[in-house]
Amino acid sequence: GNSVTQMEGPVTLSEEAFLTINCTYTATGYPSLFWYVQYPGEGLQLLLKATKADDKGSNKGFEATYRKETTSFHLEKGSVQVSDSAVYFCALSDRVNFNKFYFGSGTKLNVKP
Amino acid sequence: NAGVMQNPRHLVRRRGQEARLRCSPMKGHSHVYWYRQLPEEGLKFMVYLQKENIIDESGMPKERFSAEFPKEGPSILRIQQVVRGDSAAYFCASVTDNLNTGELFFGEGSRLTVL
Repeated sequence: GNSVTQMEGPVTLSEEAFLTINCTYTATGYPSLFWYVQYPGEGLQLLLKATKADDKGSNKGFEATYRKETTSFHLEKGSVQVSDSAVYFCALSDRVNFNKFYFGSGTKLNVKP
Repeated sequence: NAGVMQNPRHLVRRRGQEARLRCSPMKGHSHVYWYRQLPEEGLKFMVYLQKENIIDESGMPKERFSAEFPKEGPSILRIQQVVRGDSAAYFCASVTDNLNTGELFFGEGSRLTVL
């Protein structure tokens, strides 16, 4: 079946530190992969996505590469800011199976000044 | 192009009352998902609907919960005889018919508090 596993949080970093949030997946087909971000009191917003192997999604300084050989889609940012404090969700969509979406449990990021 | 609209944003109910949450998907989207999020927890899939059809309701409790997405009008998630454990944020998301795009757009959520 399909599933997403991401590292547990919270992750606490100082401003300008390097960020990695690990995400691995299992999938029966060829999924699309996503990172969503949720700021306090808000809904989820798409941060970036990749639709096929070796694609790199990027947005607002965040990057993630679709690695089929390691079934991973780790989120990285070279220098985090206080405003990046949020919960980050890794997700996949199974385009074959009625477009179902599977979310990881979320990783809370706290960035301290 | 308006985003996914949910209302009410906040809803307070007493135990035993009914809660109705509404979701209007993005223009041109005919697929709607409902998720529940408990405080400090992740998203739990509840139900996936297309216009006039329930595609997957495997995440929805068998009792007290129901969902619909009529031909005209918003999708509605209905919780009958609410209990304190139903207190949560309920998020709606929609996606286009283009399965190759596969991007979910979320609403701001409806926060239900059961007294």
